[in-house]
Amino acid sequence: GEDVEQSLFLSVREGDSSVINCTYTDSSSTYLYWYKQEPGAGLQLLTYIFSNMDMKQDQRLTVLLNKKDKHLSLRIADTQTGDSAIYFCAEKGDYKLSFGAGTTVTVRA
Amino acid sequence: NAGVMQNPRHLVRRRGQEARLRCSPMKGHSHVYWYRQLPEEGLKFMVYLQKENIIDESGMPKERFSAEFPKEGPSILRIQQVVRGDSAAYFCASSPFRQGDTGELFFGEGSRLTVL
Repeated sequence: GEDVEQSLFLSVREGDSSVINCTYTDSSSTYLYWYKQEPGAGLQLLTYIFSNMDMKQDQRLTVLLNKKDKHLSLRIADTQTGDSAIYFCAEKGDYKLSFGAGTTVTVRA
Repeated sequence: NAGVMQNPRHLVRRRGQEARLRCSPMKGHSHVYWYRQLPEEGLKFMVYLQKENIIDESGMPKERFSAEFPKEGPSILRIQQVVRGDSAAYFCASSPFRQGDTGELFFGEGSRLTVL
C-alpha cells in the first residue's frame, strides 16, 4: 500500500531542535526521503535514507529510520528562520514516490 | 544546467475551458512524473511517462485529463473542460532512470491553476 502519514504542523523556537515524524506502510520501500517546500516553490530534496540504514546525519539534519515500526523522523538541529517551510516525507515504491501531506514548520523568534 | 522547467507558473481558466501545462525535464532525463497538490494536502501521483510512452496513469482521473511526452518537446498535461475542483498546483518531476541511483525526483516550480 501507499499511505504516508505525518503531523500537519510544528512550531519551534529559533535555536531549538525540530523533530518531524512520519509513518509509512510499504515495507518494501527501498528509499525514504525528506523534501522541503518553501512558499510558492517546488520541492527540493533535503536528504534520503536507504532502507537498510537506521540513521543518517548530514550537517544539521539527522534522519532516523525504524523499519520495524515503519517510522521515519527528521531532526533539524539549531533551527533557523530559513527552515520555515513544509517538509514532506516520501517513500519509494517500484518507480514512483508516495508523499505524506507535509508538515508545516514555523520557526518563531 | 537548467532544472525542470514548467510553464505557465500561473494559469487562470473559466469553467469549461481547457488548461495545458508544460514541463521540460532536466537535460538527460527521460522519465517524467506529474503530481497534483491540492490546498493543504500532500502531493498525489497522477502519471508517469517516458518518451512517447505512458507507463502508469493510475493516479489520473479517467475523464478530461490526458498527458503526453512526445519524442521532441516538453511533456504536456492537458485538462479539458476544467471545473473548480481542478484548481491546484501541478508539479512535474523528472529522473534519469526508472530506478535511478536513489530514485530521487527533481521537481519543477509547479504550475498553479485557478479555475473561476
